[in-house]
Amino acid sequence: DGGITQSPKYLFRKEGQNVTLSCEQNLNHDAMYWYRQDPGQGLRLIYYSQIVNDFQKGDIAEGYSVSREKKESFPLTVTSAQKNPTAFYLCASSIGRLVFSGVLTFGAGSRLTVL
Amino acid sequence: GQNIDQPTEMTATEGAIVQINCTYQTSGFNGLFWYQQHAGEAPTFLSYNVLDGLEEKGRFSSFLSRSKGYSYLLLKELQMKDSASYLCAVREPYNQGGKLIFGQGTELSVKP
Repeated sequence: DGGITQSPKYLFRKEGQNVTLSCEQNLNHDAMYWYRQDPGQGLRLIYYSQIVNDFQKGDIAEGYSVSREKKESFPLTVTSAQKNPTAFYLCASSIGRLVFSGVLTFGAGSRLTVL
Repeated sequence: GQNIDQPTEMTATEGAIVQINCTYQTSGFNGLFWYQQHAGEAPTFLSYNVLDGLEEKGRFSSFLSRSKGYSYLLLKELQMKDSASYLCAVREPYNQGGKLIFGQGTELSVKP
């Protein structure tokens, strides 16, 4: 079955540590995205990538970094510079390289808690 | 600026009809999208509107009025499994980036 796999599902981190969230898709989608979800707030875009080896900052990119070395993979690193990293992180993908599709396929999410 | 408003919570009865409203004030518009998200799970795409009017998909319908900055999602013959959060999202025009801007979501509880 095609889909998006995020790992880990739950992650605990101490302050000052970097952590990398994995996102893999086998849908052959060109575009991939990272969103952050906090209680009472809408999904907020962190980074997105429309082709391999290229990515763009979203609305809340500070304290995060990404890479897109393969079409299937779009890992997100939450760095120690992110002031409030505790959140639910969602990875998504969509068909289309240069057009930002509104029809996204999401992964099941990774819940990060900073202790 | 971008602003999307949805009610925070709604409650409805199994078998009934419920309408979830979404109003938006955005600097541009290129489509409105609805997603369903069960607790702790991935959002899944439900429907979208680009032009004014009603789009029907089985028990779910979505309506758009661009002049009023208003959309609603209509759920008929409610089932317990419809208990979820419903996310409204507006897509920016492509010349502004084309990104989706999400509302905070409406938590729907379906009671027996």
